[in-house]
Amino acid sequence: QSALTQPASVSGSPGQSITISCTGTSSDVGGYNYVSWYQQHPGKAPKLMIYEVSNRPSGVPDRFSGSKSGNTASLTISGLQAEDEADYYCSSYTGSSTYVFGTGTKVTVL
Amino acid sequence: QVQLVESGGGVVQPGRSLRLSCAASGFTFTTYAIHWVRQAPGKGLEWVGFISYDGSSKYYADSLRGRFTISTDNSKSTVYLQMNSLRAEDTAVYYCARRVFDYWGQGTLVTVSS
Repeated sequence: QSALTQPASVSGSPGQSITISCTGTSSDVGGYNYVSWYQQHPGKAPKLMIYEVSNRPSGVPDRFSGSKSGNTASLTISGLQAEDEADYYCSSYTGSSTYVFGTGTKVTVL
Repeated sequence: QVQLVESGGGVVQPGRSLRLSCAASGFTFTTYAIHWVRQAPGKGLEWVGFISYDGSSKYYADSLRGRFTISTDNSKSTVYLQMNSLRAEDTAVYYCARRVFDYWGQGTLVTVSS
């Protein structure tokens, strides 16, 4: 159960689009459509932003979108806003009823 | 509204045990699995394990199986995380989260230190 690999940091200017990758293996990301993305502000609990690769929970802005290709999932934030500055984590089902999280990405709005 | 409230954290000596609680409200407790996730200071999220909606099945991260045990008391809508033989590296904020990680508690801090 090795952590999924994410870039340590991604940055962008307000209004721009950024993409965060989440790379795993055929045993996790590539094997199941159960990839989720979370936003975490400092000192707060994580918040679900995307589930099952590309679905947005109610209340999450449509600026957030998810996709997957092979063993890599991606979260795209379009029209970047100041409040999007946070840490982002992916997670994946790994089979046998176990899960794994990504290493985390710090998003900075310039 | 859906609420998950963790409690039971604190400072504990290495080798000792601690039990965390996750009290649920605002939804039908017996129809949702509950996960435990932890986050060491300044580090990323780590999945600890989960218990099925009826409490009949429990699953754990390989690195924690044998020391950590998850249980449930449906009469109290509460899930527990029993942590034994605690080590310094178990120091973290422990969160509980509902089945698809759609709702999270605020977390409880466990510090393992002599």
